[in-house]
Amino acid sequence: QKEVEQDPGPLSVPEGAIVSLNCTYSNSAFQYFMWYRQYSRKGPELLMYTYSSGNKEDGRFTAQVDKSSKYISLFIRDSQPSDSATYLCAMANFGNEKLTFGTGTRLTIIP
Amino acid sequence: NAGVTQTPKFRILKIGQSMTLQCTQDMNHNYMYWYRQDPGMGLKLIYYSVGAGITDKGEVPNGYNVSRSTTEDFPLRLELAAPSQTSVYFCASSYPGGTNGYTFGSGTRLTVV
Repeated sequence: QKEVEQDPGPLSVPEGAIVSLNCTYSNSAFQYFMWYRQYSRKGPELLMYTYSSGNKEDGRFTAQVDKSSKYISLFIRDSQPSDSATYLCAMANFGNEKLTFGTGTRLTIIP
Repeated sequence: NAGVTQTPKFRILKIGQSMTLQCTQDMNHNYMYWYRQDPGMGLKLIYYSVGAGITDKGEVPNGYNVSRSTTEDFPLRLELAAPSQTSVYFCASSYPGGTNGYTFGSGTRLTVV
């Protein structure tokens, strides 16, 4: 079993829809949770960062962490064609300098 | 502010050739990392470094070598290139602990033929 599982997609939704991206994990020691966005032929860029459980909102993006279920989500409201990218979840436990990444979900927003 | 700079952006190697992928960061980050990304496989850690003079193996180190003589530079050396090393290589850097997130370079697309 992989430490971090992420549905690779691809996921296609119409413009304006709410998008839900998810990851599950098996290591209960993970405390730091991140979402990266990667455009085609570019490096990943940090999109959202949360510590422990709860929600964090930044504009149209909301990151949610449920440590009891070992499940994290990224919601995108009012999705735009510019949101078309691959989204990678990543996580780490305190004191560990290495992030563990999911395989990424490829998202396409259809105008 | 350049962030993390990788060179070259593209390279074609013949089997058995060697090359060095360059990575430089100007954020004074202590930690640096090399990943490879293959389609559908996510990011796999090759090597990482927590400071100048200190390096350690990641998940897939075979066929690669690194050095870290300065805080800014973290080159990745490929010896005796093989087709299995065809991939996109990303360098990243972070503050100690990495839990504030990594800054990635734009990648080097390598093909071994």
